[in-house]
Amino acid sequence: DQQVKQNSPSLSVQEGRISILNCDYTNSMFDYFLWYKKYPAEGPTFLISISSIKDKNEDGRFTVFLNKSAKHLSLHIVPSQPGDSAVYFCAASGHSGGSNYKLTFGKGTLLTVNP
Amino acid sequence: GAGVSQSPSNKVTEKGKDVELRCDPISGHTALYWYRQSLGQGLEFLIYFQGNSAPDKSGLPSDRFSAERTGGSVSTLTIQRTQQEDSAVYLCASSLKNTGELFFGEGSRLTVL
Repeated sequence: DQQVKQNSPSLSVQEGRISILNCDYTNSMFDYFLWYKKYPAEGPTFLISISSIKDKNEDGRFTVFLNKSAKHLSLHIVPSQPGDSAVYFCAASGHSGGSNYKLTFGKGTLLTVNP
Repeated sequence: GAGVSQSPSNKVTEKGKDVELRCDPISGHTALYWYRQSLGQGLEFLIYFQGNSAPDKSGLPSDRFSAERTGGSVSTLTIQRTQQEDSAVYLCASSLKNTGELFFGEGSRLTVL
């Protein structure tokens, strides 16, 4: 039972264009969402987060959008750069049973930005 | 170092052997997590430590898995009688209490033959 789904295993975009990575979740108790980025042979690194009280959070080239009614969030990267090529994981946590610290991760999307 | 340190980085073992994986969290981080990533899968929660509280072991897949955290710092994940399905990258992370912004180590890649 996958509670966090990233349906696109991979995405390829041209340098300078927008990258849009999507994530869907099923658990309505989730109220905090994060994106992590992972390079090969490294651990994931935190990128950006959003609380369920917001529908948008922006940090430089990265913006996360949250649509609670659709249980959907997306990460936009504008403009995309070759160094953004990595696996992006969507993660969620909630107050279900007090486990607001336990992140549930999707399977990841491999982003390739072509020069 | 300034980051989360894990050892060994790679471990190859035979089915049935015990293994220990070590994690040194970032100094001052009170929360410590173990996750694992099997091939083609997302990160699977295993166990969580927060200060002196009882750990949340709800993600451990079987009683062959155990973990401890000594002195509120270093943690060891032990897998007894390893099976081939235990092959994965085991990731440790730490954070300042319950922020959700986890700092991950590079992981320990376990291969069970």
